[in-house]
Amino acid sequence: DAGVTQSPTHLIKTRGQQVTLRCSPKSGHDTVSWYQQALGQGPQFIFQYYEEEERQRGNFPDRFSGHQFPNYSSELNVNALLLGDSALYLCASSMTGRNTEAFFGQGTRLTVV
Amino acid sequence: QKEVEQDPGPLSVPEGAIVSLNCTYSNSAFQYFMWYRQYSRKGPELLMYTYSSGNKEDGRFTAQVDKSSKYISLFIRDSQPSDSATYLCAMTRSGNTPLVFGKGTRLSVIA
Repeated sequence: DAGVTQSPTHLIKTRGQQVTLRCSPKSGHDTVSWYQQALGQGPQFIFQYYEEEERQRGNFPDRFSGHQFPNYSSELNVNALLLGDSALYLCASSMTGRNTEAFFGQGTRLTVV
Repeated sequence: QKEVEQDPGPLSVPEGAIVSLNCTYSNSAFQYFMWYRQYSRKGPELLMYTYSSGNKEDGRFTAQVDKSSKYISLFIRDSQPSDSATYLCAMTRSGNTPLVFGKGTRLSVIA
């Protein structure tokens, strides 16, 4: 079992650009959540996808959007990048209603210059 | 006031010591309490979770929850250098709601 896989591992983008991050959930998991972890901080919830729909959303602007595919994999898109978007972006997968047993990927480290 | 407060440390202990890590929270609706370990440049790894108040033990790790005080703890017995990592507490209202994390405590276990 490969667990939760995220790509790419690292990414450098310029202010104003757009970025897409990808996540494949752990086998048997159907729910994907995305978190942003700034340096020295705990992860902050961005949104959660289940059945290809955004079910819950944290306090993030509309520049952050996502998608879930029929195979449960997911993408996180960020438009009009700001310097403050530099962070580790974490994908967590779980079975429905089991966020308490979420598995996290290794994350994508995004640097905006 | 943040929903979850956690002392960021750093905390440095000798090998074999008992480590105590703590979080406080303000939202009385939280029912599930988790501890994650995060090594440098890695994603968080779930150590254990507890429902409501009480204790839970798993090997060298013991989690305690005191809902009346809104205070949770993780104890690590016989600490090892491989335990050196950042420990994140997280909590949530239900299995369907997002996790709310503390800032994490950075722990170093010195051989």
